[in-house]
Amino acid sequence: DSGVTQTPKHLITATGQRVTLRCSPRSGDLSVYWYQQSLDQGLQFLIQYYNGEERAKGNILERFSAQQFPDLHSELNLSSLELGDSALYFCASSAGTGGGSPLHFGNGTRLTVT
Amino acid sequence: ILNVEQSPQSLHVQEGDSTNFTCSFPSSNFYALHWYRWETAKSPEALFVMTLNGDEKKKGRISATLNTKEGYSYLYIKGSQPEDSATYLCASKTDSWGKFQFGAGTQVVVTP
Repeated sequence: DSGVTQTPKHLITATGQRVTLRCSPRSGDLSVYWYQQSLDQGLQFLIQYYNGEERAKGNILERFSAQQFPDLHSELNLSSLELGDSALYFCASSAGTGGGSPLHFGNGTRLTVT
Repeated sequence: ILNVEQSPQSLHVQEGDSTNFTCSFPSSNFYALHWYRWETAKSPEALFVMTLNGDEKKKGRISATLNTKEGYSYLYIKGSQPEDSATYLCASKTDSWGKFQFGAGTQVVVTP
């Protein structure tokens, strides 16, 4: 058990809808990362937060947004969903941002857009 | 190299054989190189965190080396066992913030 909790595990929704994915980091970890894994693709970095502030941004679409709350949990909001947004979304946490701490991954949220 | 690249994409190994594979990453602005093991239906788990040129890490039968000047890392599995079957990911950090870029992984299948 990595200590990172992601909810829900599965989500099925229709095109055009909006969903929220939630992540609770491992106790004591201040950094939260979001990654997307589409079919036959590797882990694509979306965004990172550290102690409530956005620190790094990857290939995140404008339809997607995220935030980290004072209790350090994070939410990834996906709107105007398209079929191509179907993917496994991982959240990971780490103690810091310097690279000397490993990432701890949650079990992922499987999003299916129909 | 602009991206993180892993080779080969997949490996089939006989039980008891040793194997190794490569992660290539941008050598400029190096901060860290991580290795993760990802089993089917599970989430990636950290194997090694490497930050210094020449680093060598070992965990049981698995070890890794790091060359930051030329931008590559090797992962070695000695005496492969079926439980070593997984996808092995490397991730490179090349800025002072938090972005980790992952390679596509090397899938290792160990057959008895």
